Amino acid sequence: SSELTQDPAVSVALGQTVRITCQGDSLRSYSASWYQQKPGQAPILVIYGDNNRPSGIPDRFSGSSSGNTASLTITGAQAEDESDYYCNSRDSNRHHPFGDGTKLTVL
Amino acid sequence: QVQLVESGGGVVQPGRSLRLSCAASGFTFSGYAMHWVRQAPGKGLEWVAIISHDETNKYYADSVKGRFTISRDNSKNTLYLQMNNLRGEDTAVYYCAREGYISGWWFFDYWGQGTLVTVSS
Repeated sequence: SSELTQDPAVSVALGQTVRITCQGDSLRSYSASWYQQKPGQAPILVIYGDNNRPSGIPDRFSGSSSGNTASLTITGAQAEDESDYYCNSRDSNRHHPFGDGTKLTVL
Repeated sequence: QVQLVESGGGVVQPGRSLRLSCAASGFTFSGYAMHWVRQAPGKGLEWVAIISHDETNKYYADSVKGRFTISRDNSKNTLYLQMNNLRGEDTAVYYCAREGYISGWWFFDYWGQGTLVTVSS
């Protein structure tokens, strides 16, 4: 099991908004990052520092954080957003555990 | 452009050893901390280990501590993972990842494509 907790699966209608959450004590002290992974591919960074997008990531992806919970929001979900999403944060021991992942289905 | 290319995976018997390599290019390798992350078949991502840019600090997940050793050769722009006493639960795709750092934010900004390690008799 992970020190970061995510819902196993979430679904969203095409074009609608979805929020994926991540809970853990380390999030009170350290920022979250989020990764998108499609089957057979390496993960891709989509959000870092709680709410920053790397270049090339569509602006429909956004992040936020409050207390022990970080969130990834996709505003206007597209079919290509159907993926597994993982949160990550470091802890005080310089470990970097991942959440268990959320499988996003776009209906 | 940044490239990370893992190699060294394969099929190995339980209790044996294997060394993975990750060849880096397109950036100043000696300036970045590096990580290994693995993913068992059908499972989620699991962080394995980190090494600081100058090899002075190394940290490991509890699941591999004492069996795995992370190292690097900055003259060769290469990251390594020595895996000893391998177990079936170590079967996974192993990714190397570069650590990005900005003002107290840590993240994995570049990933390799992974190398598969299968531990089986």
